[in-house]
Amino acid sequence: DAGVIQSPRHEVTEMGQEVTLRCKPISGHNSLFWYRQTMMRGLELLIYFNNNVPIDDSGMPEDRFSAKMPNASFSTLKIQPSEPRDSAVYFCASSYREGGEAFFGQGTRLTVV
Amino acid sequence: AQTVTQSQPEMSVQEAETVTLSCTYDTSENNYYLFWYKQPPSRQMILVIRQEAYKQQNATENRFSVNFQKAAKSFSLKISDSQLGDTAMYFCAFMKRGSNYQLIWGAGTKLIIKP
Repeated sequence: DAGVIQSPRHEVTEMGQEVTLRCKPISGHNSLFWYRQTMMRGLELLIYFNNNVPIDDSGMPEDRFSAKMPNASFSTLKIQPSEPRDSAVYFCASSYREGGEAFFGQGTRLTVV
Repeated sequence: AQTVTQSQPEMSVQEAETVTLSCTYDTSENNYYLFWYKQPPSRQMILVIRQEAYKQQNATENRFSVNFQKAAKSFSLKISDSQLGDTAMYFCAFMKRGSNYQLIWGAGTKLIIKP
């Protein structure tokens, strides 16, 4: 298996633009997580899906952020409009059992100028 | 609420030495899991080792082992015969059983292995 695949690896955008980050989890995994990593705040869980259903989105910073999982093999995280403070590395991770390993993608480094 | 504390922001050792990274956590739960993840400069998060709280035996994975002290709520990681490739950020994480897989993360320890 190719692991969790995220695209793009890097994204530079101007303030106010819409940004869409993509994730393909490992086949057979029923849980998917979106994290944000910054120097100041470390790793933050943004949203968690189980069987394609959002279970906990309390970490989503504000209404500008939205996430979808239309099927078991694809998820998106959208920021609209983007702001400079959204600059961070965004990770997607998937898992198949409680207490088991969370498999991470290589992350998307987002820079909003 | 659970918290995870890594008190060492950065550590540096010579290649082949043994190093121990500390992690403490705060919880009132009895059933949980603990993890150490590694994030090398490539940025990808990689599981190093995991421990189930109900198991008294410390987990071991090759050169990596943990010292799990449940009463003290301590979960340290020992790296033996350190290698240059061990240079990375190391994160300790906690998962409460029945928490919908949610991980609570420490702030990380930057480990540098010097040649």
